[in-house]
Amino acid sequence: KAGVTQTPRYLIKTRGQQVTLSCSPISGHRSVSWYQQTPGQGLQFLFEYFSETQRNKGNFPGRFSGRQFSNSRSEMNVSTLELGDSALYLCASSRASFMGLAGETGELFFGEGSRLTVL
Amino acid sequence: KNQVEQSPQSLIILEGKNCTLQCNYTVSPFSNLRWYKQDTGRGPVSLTIMTFSENTKSNGRYTATLDADTKQSSLHITASQLSDSASYICVVRRGNAGNMLTFGGGTRLMVKP
Repeated sequence: KAGVTQTPRYLIKTRGQQVTLSCSPISGHRSVSWYQQTPGQGLQFLFEYFSETQRNKGNFPGRFSGRQFSNSRSEMNVSTLELGDSALYLCASSRASFMGLAGETGELFFGEGSRLTVL
Repeated sequence: KNQVEQSPQSLIILEGKNCTLQCNYTVSPFSNLRWYKQDTGRGPVSLTIMTFSENTKSNGRYTATLDADTKQSSLHITASQLSDSASYICVVRRGNAGNMLTFGGGTRLMVKP
């Protein structure tokens, strides 16, 4: 069973540009969430999508946006890049974002991340 | 404020030795607590997930404990191996918050031969 796939793995951009990152979840998983990881702030939640709807959003500026397609694949976009946006962006998938389903642990499976460097 | 604090920040041990990592949280309402292992430059991999009613869970040489009353968890690694060198991240899920998780800062473990 294929894991969570993120593309691209590495990319370099300059300030002011925009970037789009892609995430393909594990087959059958309908929830996709995004996280930013930096040395200074650690891991922080960006947003979560379930069935093409954004369910939760973290405390990030509007330059960070995302969407989810009908096949559960997700993209996140960062516009007007700043130096501080340099980070490892991680995508994770799960069967459902809410607990309560029989046998559902809510376990998250992470991709390998997209390493963004802003110059 | 919902927070997860981990200690120590870093730890060096000799191969074959045991170690225990600590996690304290103030996240409320509590849903579950997870421990992840993250190798450098890779995505985190789940080790254990514990709900309010569970106080111990094992995964091979990894044993996690949870005291929901004191809001503390620990991850014990037995007979460490070089491949255990990684960051270990404690993550707490708030009730009704989906995957809007709260992460600890992690403990960076180095196992030396």
